[in-house]
Amino acid sequence: SQTIHQWPATLVQPVGSPLSLECTVEGTSNPNLYWYRQAAGRGLQLLFYSVGIGQISSEVPQNLSASRPQDRQFILSSKKLLLSDSGFYLCAWTTGVEGYTFGSGTRLTVV
Amino acid sequence: GQSLEQPSEVTAVEGAIVQINCTYQTSGFYGLSWYQQHDGGAPTFLSYNALDGLEETGRFSSFLSRSDSYGYLLLQELQMKDSASYFCAVRSYTGGFKTIFGAGTRLFVKA
Repeated sequence: SQTIHQWPATLVQPVGSPLSLECTVEGTSNPNLYWYRQAAGRGLQLLFYSVGIGQISSEVPQNLSASRPQDRQFILSSKKLLLSDSGFYLCAWTTGVEGYTFGSGTRLTVV
Repeated sequence: GQSLEQPSEVTAVEGAIVQINCTYQTSGFYGLSWYQQHDGGAPTFLSYNALDGLEETGRFSSFLSRSDSYGYLLLQELQMKDSASYFCAVRSYTGGFKTIFGAGTRLFVKA
């Protein structure tokens, strides 16, 4: 069966520090991978999506970046965090047109 | 651009039926999905409609009218555990598949 792993679960980082969040998928090949961010009490904002290794599409101009070094690995990074980067970050995958499977999320607080 | 509208909050009594509406505006429409999210958790996929009509999955049903750019999620025999946020999401193709989420409807189920 397919599973998605996302870590860490919680992160508190100072302003200006770097960020690296990792997501891996098991049990499937060539998944479409996505990074979403959710502000408290709000909907999900699409940040990046990837249809294959090295292929990244950015939806929102910001100080975040994404990379896909392997088929089932998706990484979200920042060189210098801002207070506005705080939120709940969710990795998701799909191989079809129906639904996404989300990771358990990382709650990031920038202080 | 793309947009979705759904009510911010709905309250219902245990055992009752509740309908959560969603209207959308998008180009390249492919389908409408529904997700459930409990506090502190990740969204979980509930249903997907690509064609007009009603899809039933246990106590939950989802409806789509493509001509009206409208859909709804119907929850029957409400249980306390159904208290959660519900998101509609539009999948579209404009050079690549993307899914945009609504802001979510907070459902409160009362005893």
